[in-house]
Amino acid sequence: AQKITQTQPGMFVQEKEAVTLDCTYDTSDQSYGLFWYKQPSSGEMIFLIYQGSYDEQNATEGRYSLNFQKARKSANLVISASQLGDSAMYFCAMREGHFNKFYFGSGTKLNVKP
Amino acid sequence: EAQVTQNPRYLITVTGKKLTVTCSQNMNHEYMSWYRQDPGLGLRQIYYSMNVEVTDKGDVPEGYKVSRKEKRNFPLILESPSPNQTSLYFCASSPAGLDGYTFGSGTRLTVV
Repeated sequence: AQKITQTQPGMFVQEKEAVTLDCTYDTSDQSYGLFWYKQPSSGEMIFLIYQGSYDEQNATEGRYSLNFQKARKSANLVISASQLGDSAMYFCAMREGHFNKFYFGSGTKLNVKP
Repeated sequence: EAQVTQNPRYLITVTGKKLTVTCSQNMNHEYMSWYRQDPGLGLRQIYYSMNVEVTDKGDVPEGYKVSRKEKRNFPLILESPSPNQTSLYFCASSPAGLDGYTFGSGTRLTVV
């Protein structure tokens, strides 16, 4: 089974609108971390936001928020007020418990239209 | 500046010619890891290291070797590269626990 599933290969959003990028995960560990990374066309991997499995509040970082639904095993990224610079590939990732295995989804390519 | 430095950025080589991609971090991180990125597959972990002299296989270790003789360095070795190892490679490091990784700038490797 896939550890991280991103079902949206590509998405378009109008500038200044909000967009949700979907991510579901699969783990039997009680302790895990969920992450979102942004990869612009230049190729670097930029850390955006982190959610711990024991965190009760959804994580927020500026215009990014993580909609964490533990029972559904989903960790969707919400970008508010999209900007042209948000056009990039977005990866959801998970780090399990005491192991150093770090799993990535296949990514969602976001295009922000002016 | 806190960073992960990997070299070279671009490399074209021929099948069977041994090569090493270097990776160094200046954040005193315990964990280091190598990934390869291929279209449609996201990033897949090749090897990881939890500390000096402690390494373990990730999901796609075949054809690769690593070593961790010093905390800051984690080189990736391809003893006999093949064309299916053409990919974008990332080195990353993190502190212990559940923190995220800091990534290097990537190495685009082409094996002909």
